[in-house]
Amino acid sequence: DTAVSQTPKYLVTQMGNDKSIKCEQNLGHDTMYWYKQDSKKFLKIMFSYNNKELIINETVPNRFSPKSPDKAHLNLHINSLELGDSAVYFCASSPRDRGGEQYFGPGTRLTVT
Amino acid sequence: QKEVEQDPGPLSVPEGAIVSLNCTYSNSAFQYFMWYRQYSRKGPELLMYTYSSGNKEDGRFTAQVDKSSKYISLFIRDSQPSDSATYLCAMSAYSSASKIIFGSGTRLSIRP
Repeated sequence: DTAVSQTPKYLVTQMGNDKSIKCEQNLGHDTMYWYKQDSKKFLKIMFSYNNKELIINETVPNRFSPKSPDKAHLNLHINSLELGDSAVYFCASSPRDRGGEQYFGPGTRLTVT
Repeated sequence: QKEVEQDPGPLSVPEGAIVSLNCTYSNSAFQYFMWYRQYSRKGPELLMYTYSSGNKEDGRFTAQVDKSSKYISLFIRDSQPSDSATYLCAMSAYSSASKIIFGSGTRLSIRP
């Protein structure tokens, strides 16, 4: 069974479109995260939710909106996609008291043309 | 100055060699130190999780933390071609869910 899953794995879309990425974890963790990894492999946190409550909101354009319907799911919606949004987006989860012990999904490779 | 500095490599060593990967950091509040391994086109996976200064060993991997020098290391003994990956150091100030700062990763290649 996959611990942290993301869909879709690949996403190719045009500038200006709106898209969503879904994430689910079956580890029973309270905390979930969204990261962006750019072409230089730099991994930067975007958002974190603890039991459906937003706890980390980095300097991310308002076009990015996370939604957590329950503690096992964290989705990312992106409006008005731009070329600079092209990257790999990773979802992760961790136990609440061990935030450094993160389990990552396989990533969603987003290409904006 | 970045909060976490990591030599990007690439680092290429022969099979069986001892590998040393390092990171330096500037924030003295960091107490939790992690090493993640990322294979090409995969998500990072946690290798080592340590608290404060000292050593931690797990099989062929040893993590070292020197808080006085703000320097952490990961040693890989008897390196195998399957160890070829990008290694990311990461650190945070708190044990609970909080912002983790990742290094930019070192690309390691083990030559058979």
